[in-house]
Amino acid sequence: ETGVTQSPTHLIKTRGQQVTLRCSSQSGHNTVSWYQQALGQGPQFIFQYYREEENGRGNFPPRFSGLQFPNYSSELNVNALELDDSALYLCASTTGGGLQETQYFGPGTRLLVL
Amino acid sequence: EDQVTQSPEALRLQEGESSSLNCSYTVSGLRGLFWYRQDPGKGPEFLFTLYSAGEEKEKERLKATLTKKESFLHITAPKPEDSATYLCAVQDTGGFKTIFGAGTRLFVKA
Repeated sequence: ETGVTQSPTHLIKTRGQQVTLRCSSQSGHNTVSWYQQALGQGPQFIFQYYREEENGRGNFPPRFSGLQFPNYSSELNVNALELDDSALYLCASTTGGGLQETQYFGPGTRLLVL
Repeated sequence: EDQVTQSPEALRLQEGESSSLNCSYTVSGLRGLFWYRQDPGKGPEFLFTLYSAGEEKEKERLKATLTKKESFLHITAPKPEDSATYLCAVQDTGGFKTIFGAGTRLFVKA
């Protein structure tokens, strides 16, 4: 167990809708990253939050946005859903910095857009 | 642009048949190279972090090595429970972006 939880486990939405995915990290893990993993592919970096501020972003459009809260929880919001947004969404937390930095992944949320 | 390429895409082994997985990477400045194991429908599980060329790490039947251009994950005498997708990832010196390869799907038959 990594101590990182995600909700919901599965979700079905229709094209054009909005979705919010949630992640709860371990206490003390002040950095959280979100990834999108399509079937048969490796995770693709969406963005990273450190102490409630976005400090890095991958090649994803602005309709992908996030929030991080002081209680080590975070959200990924996706607006105007498209069919290609169907994927496993993973969050990963870390203590941040230093040689001991390791990302601990949650089990993911499987999103299906119809 | 940072890039990670893993080979082979899939590998089928008999129980006890040792082999290696390859991860080739291109990064402007390497902060760390990571190996993860991922079982179907689950999040990646951390295995190793390597930071500099020549470094090696071992865990049970797995051994990871690193050069300036690639990393190998050696699997000695694998068992069926080692069947999973093995992911390689690199983090650049900027520290905020981790690039993953597509993974190697390993099947170990009893």
